[in-house]
Amino acid sequence: GNSVTQMEGPVTLSEEAFLTINCTYTATGYPSLFWYVQYPGEGLQLLLKATKADDKGSNKGFEATYRKETTSFHLEKGSVQVSDSAVYFCASSGGYQKVTFGTGTKLQVIP
Amino acid sequence: DGGITQSPKYLFRKEGQNVTLSCEQNLNHDAMYWYRQDPGQGLRLIYYSQIVNDFQKGDIAEGYSVSREKKESFPLTVTSAQKNPTAFYLCASRPGQGADNEQFFGPGTRLTVL
Repeated sequence: GNSVTQMEGPVTLSEEAFLTINCTYTATGYPSLFWYVQYPGEGLQLLLKATKADDKGSNKGFEATYRKETTSFHLEKGSVQVSDSAVYFCASSGGYQKVTFGTGTKLQVIP
Repeated sequence: DGGITQSPKYLFRKEGQNVTLSCEQNLNHDAMYWYRQDPGQGLRLIYYSQIVNDFQKGDIAEGYSVSREKKESFPLTVTSAQKNPTAFYLCASRPGQGADNEQFFGPGTRLTVL
């Protein structure tokens, strides 16, 4: 079956530091890939997505590129802010309405 | 405003009681989902429904039941057979059949069984 593996947290960074959260997937065929963000006590919100190889999703300074050759979709941001502190989930979807999530990576940004 | 609502936000129940969590969406989405979230474990799929009057078990369906009598509503019942029901429950919806469609999540219900 499909699976998503993302780096374990928590990740602690100082404000304005560079962020990378790794995500790799296994799937039959070519799934669509997503990053969701969850703030404390809330549901998940879509951060960005990519639907085919070499696509780059971007939003709010975050970006991730769909790499078929390495089956990866790493999340990056050039300069994090305290307000970026949250849990980030990588997910893949191969259709048939089922979505596979990673275990989430908690990010803490300190001033 | 379109969106997904879950109620209540916090729910307390005594052990051995069934409890039903509400999920409503006005996005006109065909598919709806229930997930359970435990600390450090990510999201685990309980049930999902692609159309009205149809639903499928997810990875951890034991001790849970659902219904989908209306497109807008997908309530989840946590039964007394669920051995460890205390968790954060998330409902989501998604339009159509395309793999590139994202899910929209409700704010969640935190269930505590005393």
